[in-house]
Amino acid sequence: IAGITQAPTSQILAAGRRMTLRCTQDMRHNAMYWYRQDLGLGLRLIHYSNTAGTTGKGEVPDGYSVSRANTDDFPLTLASAVPSQTSVYFCASSESSGTTDTQYFGPGTRLTVL
Amino acid sequence: GQNIDQPTEMTATEGAIVQINCTYQTSGFNGLFWYQQHAGEAPTFLSYNVLDGLEEKGRFSSFLSRSKGYSYLLLKELQMKDSASYLCAVMDSNYQLIWGAGTKLIIKP
Repeated sequence: IAGITQAPTSQILAAGRRMTLRCTQDMRHNAMYWYRQDLGLGLRLIHYSNTAGTTGKGEVPDGYSVSRANTDDFPLTLASAVPSQTSVYFCASSESSGTTDTQYFGPGTRLTVL
Repeated sequence: GQNIDQPTEMTATEGAIVQINCTYQTSGFNGLFWYQQHAGEAPTFLSYNVLDGLEEKGRFSSFLSRSKGYSYLLLKELQMKDSASYLCAVMDSNYQLIWGAGTKLIIKP
């Protein structure tokens, strides 16, 4: 069982470029999440999806977009990357939303925007 | 505002016991989670508390006092592999997780 996979593992990107971070889970979880993790700060929620076909904004959504065409995939897109988006990005999933279900995390993508 | 506080870094000796504290102020409370995160890896679930008291799981225990907005993670018989960051997170009234910045635990032989 793979759980959650993310790609790429790491990426260096020029400012202004478009980038999509991929996330796939095989646990048939309904809810999925994107977080960013920066030194000295807690994980911050970017966007979430309660179920396929629906998405919502988290704490820091500006500059990011998501889609949820099916249960398994939840890509995160940076339309025009800026240096402040340099971070480690984690995708997570849980059985359902609006509950206390545990969130399980992917291995992360380390993104550097120059 | 919502706030989760935990110490930035702690050091302990192999074989000893360490307690990592977490205090919180959030909009509502639907439970408190502890996660472990080794350097360069994903956070992994350790424990969940929603009622006051101590939950024991092997070498790890987690305590909650809702009236004090306080939790701790207790690690016994420390091993070198316990060197990691420990993240405290509270689920608020909207069932969203609010995360602390994490406590980096350094284990010395």
